[in-house]
Amino acid sequence: QKEVEQDPGPLSVPEGAIVSLNCTYSNSAFQYFMWYRQYSRKGPELLMYTYSSGNKEDGRFTAQVDKSSKYISLFIRDSQPSDSATYLCAMTSNTDKLIFGTGTRLQVFP
Amino acid sequence: EAGVTQSPTHLIKTRGQQATLRCSPISGHTSVYWYQQALGLGLQFLLWYDEGEERNRGNFPPRFSGRQFPNYSSELNVNALELEDSALYLCASKLPGPSRYNEQFFGPGTRLTVL
Repeated sequence: QKEVEQDPGPLSVPEGAIVSLNCTYSNSAFQYFMWYRQYSRKGPELLMYTYSSGNKEDGRFTAQVDKSSKYISLFIRDSQPSDSATYLCAMTSNTDKLIFGTGTRLQVFP
Repeated sequence: EAGVTQSPTHLIKTRGQQATLRCSPISGHTSVYWYQQALGLGLQFLLWYDEGEERNRGNFPPRFSGRQFPNYSSELNVNALELEDSALYLCASKLPGPSRYNEQFFGPGTRLTVL
């Protein structure tokens, strides 16, 4: 079993939709959770990070962590075509090693 | 401020050859991480260099090696290339010192194709 599981998609939604992206994990030592966005032919860029359980909001993006269920989510409100990218979850127990999910490819069509 | 740079952008090799990939971190960053991103497998951690020393390596065979130079740039070498080594190789850099989120800044990657 992989440490981090993420549905590869693709997820195709119309512009303006609310998008929900999710990851599950098995290692209860993970405390720090991140979402990266990767556009085609580019390296990943850090989008959001959260510590332990709870929510964090940044503009149209909300990150949610439920440690009891070992489940993290990223919500995108009012999705735009420019949000079309691959979204990767990543997590660490602060051992200087990030564990990534496989990424979910999102397509937002006009 | 310049981001992480990697060269070459694309590299085509044949099975059994050696490949050398290069990475220049963001100015002031002393840690360099290497990842392999193969289709369907996500980012797999390869190597971590900090202050010129190898600090950790992922579950890859010894034919994957590298080094970090005094200017903090880094090189990844892959010997005896196999077809399965075809992937995007990403380099990331990080500021010195402890970081709760281990925030890493990624370069655009080198696409390695092994024929």
